[in-house]
Amino acid sequence: GENVEQHPSTLSVQEGDSAVIKCTYSDSASNYFPWYKQELGKGPQLIIDIRSNVGEKKDQRIAVTLNKTAKHFSLHITETQPEDSAVYFCAASPGKFYFGSGTKLNVKP
Amino acid sequence: SAVISQKPSRDICQRGTSLTIQCQVDSQVTMMFWYRQQPGQSLTLIATANQGSEATYESGFVIDKFPISRPNLTFSTLTVSNMSPEDSSIYLCSVAQDTFYEQYFGPGTRLTVT
Repeated sequence: GENVEQHPSTLSVQEGDSAVIKCTYSDSASNYFPWYKQELGKGPQLIIDIRSNVGEKKDQRIAVTLNKTAKHFSLHITETQPEDSAVYFCAASPGKFYFGSGTKLNVKP
Repeated sequence: SAVISQKPSRDICQRGTSLTIQCQVDSQVTMMFWYRQQPGQSLTLIATANQGSEATYESGFVIDKFPISRPNLTFSTLTVSNMSPEDSSIYLCSVAQDTFYEQYFGPGTRLTVT
């Protein structure tokens, strides 16, 4: 089955800096790659996604890039704010979702 | 996106008992899923809840332990049966239209088994 690896496990940045989280996947059949933000005590929230026929997608301060050849995709958050502090999960989908292990992002004011 | 609610939001249960978790969506959806998130861990798919037929379980999860119902397009239940402390987790339902894509999650049910 699919195997998704996510790095780093923790990330601490200063408010206003950029944050990058990277994921790799193994199954070339994966064609959909969502990112979720999970705040403490809440369910995961879909923040951005990308399909395999697109290389990059942006939504305000958030962007995702996909390199199908290398089988990796990344989440980029610019101008980070304290409210961006949460755990972020990537997933790869050849059908059902396979999640990465999560990245705890801490944005220091 | 759909508004999803789960009941209960949290519970503490005795070993050997069962708990039924409800998932309600404010609009009809084609697909509903149940996930488990063990403390500090990632999400693992338990099963896909199929309307009008038996759920489709993932490897490592069985119907006797996690019976699922889906009587209509807005509601599903997951029962955690004969619980042990290892079942202590967050149980999440998610929904999607038509395919696995664009899944939206409920707030989760935090279960502690003593």
